[in-house]
Amino acid sequence: EAQVTQNPRYLITVTGKKLTVTCSQNMNHEYMSWYRQDPGLGLRQIYYSMNVEVTDKGDVPEGYKVSRKEKRNFPLILESPSPNQTSLYFCASSLELQGYEQFFGPGTRLTVL
Amino acid sequence: AQTVTQSQPEMSVQEAETVTLSCTYDTSESNYYLFWYKQPPSRQMILVIRQEAYKQQNATENRFSVNFQKAAKSFSLKISDSQLGDTAMYFCALWDDYKLSFGAGTTVTVRA
Repeated sequence: EAQVTQNPRYLITVTGKKLTVTCSQNMNHEYMSWYRQDPGLGLRQIYYSMNVEVTDKGDVPEGYKVSRKEKRNFPLILESPSPNQTSLYFCASSLELQGYEQFFGPGTRLTVL
Repeated sequence: AQTVTQSQPEMSVQEAETVTLSCTYDTSESNYYLFWYKQPPSRQMILVIRQEAYKQQNATENRFSVNFQKAAKSFSLKISDSQLGDTAMYFCALWDDYKLSFGAGTTVTVRA
């Protein structure tokens, strides 16, 4: 089944404790992206990747890191999480860069205490 | 700055009736794409409809259709014959410059 998977689905952590949210897609998509969803703000793009080893900042990259060492994986790293990073996070992928449908993962609910 | 604006935070519609969701956007690109995504209580993001800016014909997917007014930078979604399963948050999104920008969303509740 074609899908985007994220792990964990739920995470409660404390300020400053490094964490990684994994994202994997099995559709051989070139483009992958991370978003955070907050009430009243919709989804905002954190980082995106156009291919292996090619990443760029989205609208809200502060406090986040990403890497794209393999085409299928695009982990999101929070080196020192803070309470303002409490949010719902989505990973997404699409076949190519421009204008194709993005397939979303199921979301990760992160709470930073 | 917000490039996609959804001015209706919430809307309610009777089952089998029609509801229209508004969306305006701003872009300097000539080639861009517009989307409507649905997010039901399960939180899964589901593509409803996609419009290519260079196509004048409005996109349609079953009971869902759009009114794309390029000059006005408007992209409204019409849901016809509303069903209980249409209850969800709906997001308008603009793809340009390698990024997808979302509006704040409109919560649609379909009443039985």
